[in-house]
Amino acid sequence: DGGITQSPKYLFRKEGQNVTLSCEQNLNHDAMYWYRQDPGQGLRLIYYSQIVNDFQKGDIAEGYSVSREKKESFPLTVTSAQKNPTAFYLCASSIEPQETQYFGPGTRLLVL
Amino acid sequence: GDSVTQMEGPVTLSEEAFLTINCTYTATGYPSLFWYVQYPGEGLQLLLKATKADDKGSNKGFEATYRKETTSFHLEKGSVQVSDSAVYFCALSETSGTYKYIFGTGTRLKVLA
Repeated sequence: DGGITQSPKYLFRKEGQNVTLSCEQNLNHDAMYWYRQDPGQGLRLIYYSQIVNDFQKGDIAEGYSVSREKKESFPLTVTSAQKNPTAFYLCASSIEPQETQYFGPGTRLLVL
Repeated sequence: GDSVTQMEGPVTLSEEAFLTINCTYTATGYPSLFWYVQYPGEGLQLLLKATKADDKGSNKGFEATYRKETTSFHLEKGSVQVSDSAVYFCALSETSGTYKYIFGTGTRLKVLA
């Protein structure tokens, strides 16, 4: 079955710690995206990548970093510079940047 | 910049009632429009989409028509079920060349048996 997987489902971060959220897709999609969702708010774009080895900042990139070394993988690192990381993180992909985005199941990040 | 405004929730309906969730947008070009649904603790699922004016998207009894003259994409369903209880997001794809999606804040729907 083709799809987008995110792991872990829940992630706990200690003060000053960097954590990495995984996003993998086997849909052969070129474009991938990371969104942050806070309660009662819409999704906000963190980073996006339209093709392998290239990515751009979204609207709230500060305190986050990404890499796109393989077409199927787009990991997101939440660094210690992100002072309010508690949120639900959603990864999405599309076959081409202008096509429909499909979402993974999400990772909930909590701070200890 | 582009933006999406959707009605605030929660919306509470009895089973078999008619549903309308309003969505209006602001865009400089001609965006594609989407409705996504999110069940508790899950990611977003595409419900329907429309790519040009007067297009009607439909899926699972839900419908929405791309109205350029009123810049609207209201979601409707003739008879809701308890299983439709979820959060519904309206979104558009930016027309500036980045293809970023702009999402509304979501509308929570609760359907009572």
